[in-house]
This record gives sequence, structure tokens and C-alpha cells, in this order.
Amino acid sequence: AQSVTQLDSHVSVSEGTPVLLRCNYSSSYSPSLFWYVQHPNKGLQLLLKYTSAATLVKGINGFEAEFKKSETSFHLTKPSAHMSDAAEYFCVVSDRGSQGNLIFGKGTKLSVKP
Amino acid sequence: NAGVTQTPKFRILKIGQSMTLQCTQDMNHNYMYWYRQDPGMGLKLIYYSVGAGITDKGEVPNGYNVSRSTTEDFPLRLELAAPSQTSVYFCASTPPGGRTGTQYFGPGTRLLVL
Repeated sequence: AQSVTQLDSHVSVSEGTPVLLRCNYSSSYSPSLFWYVQHPNKGLQLLLKYTSAATLVKGINGFEAEFKKSETSFHLTKPSAHMSDAAEYFCVVSDRGSQGNLIFGKGTKLSVKP
Repeated sequence: NAGVTQTPKFRILKIGQSMTLQCTQDMNHNYMYWYRQDPGMGLKLIYYSVGAGITDKGEVPNGYNVSRSTTEDFPLRLELAAPSQTSVYFCASTPPGGRTGTQYFGPGTRLLVL
């Protein structure tokens, strides 16, 4: 069965410094992996997705993630944090065995200090 | 397009009351989903639908019912509200051909059961 583990429940960075949000996955299939972002009191928005094409995936707002099969990881990075990046981030795997239903990690809350 | 809309935004229920959470999408998406989000947790799938007249259970269906009479609407029904159903509920949809994992989320309904 597919699952994702987000290794940090909370990450705090200063504005202008790099962001690293860590995610490991478990999947019996070649997985589809996603990062979604949720700003306070809002719905979720897709940041980026990996679907077995290029292993380095670029998303919106300067975020990118690298799929590493050998490490079963899909970490999210951004070179320089902005105050508007403060939000909750979810790593997600698609359960291909069940209509493409999504399986969510528990989330990482990103705080950005001025 | 309005995208995915949900009503109400917030509701307080007494134990044992019933209510329907409304979800509508105007993107002609055939896949629709209901999730609940509890504090410190990712989203858990309650029910999903692959098209009008077809629904299926997700990970946490107990205490809920759904129907899908049209492509646009996917209401979620709580028959006997319990404190354990206090949560934020998100509706989402996916385009045709859509086991892609790119789900479009509504803004959520915050439900408090007392």
C-alpha cells in the first residue's frame, strides 16, 4: 500500500534563506507524487507533480522537488523563502490501485521569519 | 469558472442533528471527492464519485452518506452528528481522464459538533 511520511511537522526559516521540506514515500507501483500547499483558512492548491517524466519537477512560486527512487524521497525546495510562502505543505501520493485517490502526509507547517 | 464551491463555510451542530454539506463544480469534472481534515493530520478520504450515479467509500466513510445525481453536485450528508465529526471538510474534483492526481479543491466547510 502507498503511504507518505513528512519528516518535519514544523519548519521555520528566515526570509531569503533556502527552504527544504522532506518527504519519503512508500509505493508498490511507480508512483505519482505531488506537493500541495494550504494557506491559512484556504483550500489546497497544487504546487507541483511528478508522473514519471523528469525527476526534477518545477512548480509554481519558485518551488521544485526531486524524485529519488533509490532514497524513496520527494523533497520540496525553494532557494529563497518569501513571507508569502508561510503555509502548510502536504506531500501526496496517488493510489493508482483505487481510481487515483490521493493519500496525504500529515503536513509540514512552514513559518517564515522577517 | 467559479471552480469548486462549498456551502456553508461554517456550521455548528448539536449532537444527533443532521445536515448536508453542499459541493458544486462548474468545470465538467467527472471525478469528485470528499475529505475531512483534522488538526495535525493530512486529509482523509470520506467518499468519492467517478461520475453521476456512481459513488464509493473512501478511508473514513462511517457516519456519512453521499449522492451524485448530476455531474456538478456532490453533497455530503451527516445523519446523526457526533463530536468526532468536528472537522474541516473539503470537496475536490478532477478532470476527465483524471487519475492524474491533480485535484481542484473547494475552500472548505468548518463543522463544529457540540
